[in-house]
Amino acid sequence: ILNVEQSPQSLHVQEGDSTNFTCSFPSSNFYALHWYRWETAKSPEALFVMTLNGDEKKKGRISATLNTKEGYSYLYIKGSQPEDSATYLCASYSGAGSYQLTFGKGTKLSVIP
Amino acid sequence: DTGVSQDPRHKITKRGQNVTFRCDPISEHNRLYWYRQTLGQGPEFLTYFQNEAQLEKSRLLSDRFSAERPKGSFSTLEIQRTEQGDSAMYLCASSFNPNTGELFFGEGSRLTVL
Repeated sequence: ILNVEQSPQSLHVQEGDSTNFTCSFPSSNFYALHWYRWETAKSPEALFVMTLNGDEKKKGRISATLNTKEGYSYLYIKGSQPEDSATYLCASYSGAGSYQLTFGKGTKLSVIP
Repeated sequence: DTGVSQDPRHKITKRGQNVTFRCDPISEHNRLYWYRQTLGQGPEFLTYFQNEAQLEKSRLLSDRFSAERPKGSFSTLEIQRTEQGDSAMYLCASSFNPNTGELFFGEGSRLTVL
């Protein structure tokens, strides 16, 4: 069973500040790393799916990097906006005969106007 | 709306009662997942279907839980003899890519067991 850790658990930033979160996962049997954004009263929504070591993906002001050898991924938000307030979840998929994604507990971001 | 839909969105029940949740995945997705999220935790895997076949079940899925996906379309998750510890958000997700594809989640069914 994978153990996916996220830090910090929660974060308050001022509008306009840039911020980043960390996701660590076991590097053995790695197959894919997912990031999801979960706004209150809505469904979790995929941000990125990353598979290659050194991969970097970007969507607007949000970007993510992946290091599969050391088992971590960073999510960056540039110039945070109130609409970025949400819980950010990362999840690791190991393959190895299992279909499940193993999620971390998430980082809850609050952007203060 | 062509997203994943779940019903009901909220369910309050007394301990010992049975409850059933329904999930309608995106129509072209042949893969369907159930996850459970409790307070302060991330979503925990419960079970996975590929078409109508239930291919994986978590040890979290005790014998009081049963899931079905007849005809490979919608799915139901039934909890018998509910306990207070079953109180959680039950999330359904579907996908079409077998390994690295993103999951498309519904808004969840929140269960409160009194």
